[in-house]
Amino acid sequence: GEDVEQSLFLSVREGDSSVINCTYTDSSSTYLYWYKQEPGAGLQLLTYIFSNMDMKQDQRLTVLLNKKDKHLSLRIADTQTGDSAIYFCAEDTGKLIFGQGTTLQVKP
Amino acid sequence: DSGVTQTPKHLITATGQRVTLRCSPRSGDLSVYWYQQSLDQGLQFLIQYYNGEERAKGNILERFSAQQFPDLHSELNLSSLELGDSALYFCASSVVGGFGNEQFFGPGTRLTVL
Repeated sequence: GEDVEQSLFLSVREGDSSVINCTYTDSSSTYLYWYKQEPGAGLQLLTYIFSNMDMKQDQRLTVLLNKKDKHLSLRIADTQTGDSAIYFCAEDTGKLIFGQGTTLQVKP
Repeated sequence: DSGVTQTPKHLITATGQRVTLRCSPRSGDLSVYWYQQSLDQGLQFLIQYYNGEERAKGNILERFSAQQFPDLHSELNLSSLELGDSALYFCASSVVGGFGNEQFFGPGTRLTVL
């Protein structure tokens, strides 16, 4: 079946690293995505990883993929208050299946 | 700004009514996707159109329908509205054939059914 699970809430202090985790079920997923949703706004694509990669780094963002465990994580280095948002992971099974979203709270 | 536009931004209507939500994709994008985001159901894929034809269907109710026009804009029609249809409706677009299924989202239409 198609299911994507995320923890619902994460709170960190400004300057710390944030790690948001996600598990998915469909091993045929080709791409996995991280989207960010700020209050009152639509979803913004942050980064994506192809399913045959283990890691992708993009400035402060690092995506790790453990295909065996179907586990995806997003690490945000030096987290800033502007990073406060809801983060969605999504798997591409021909259509996007989203997790419930993780609310990241960054305390000054 | 993703380049995807949606109108209206907010819509308030009554149960039993019918509404139409409109989406204009990014220039050059042939695919349009509709999503519903609600507190209890999360973000759910409804339907996808590619170059005017239905490509994939998700959890779309029979009371809902969509179409994509020759100019590639899309409309989502919601009829016999119920209180539970209150949600944020997003449209996204992509160039199918590019990187995977990279989608660009519009700002959404917030529908409130009273």
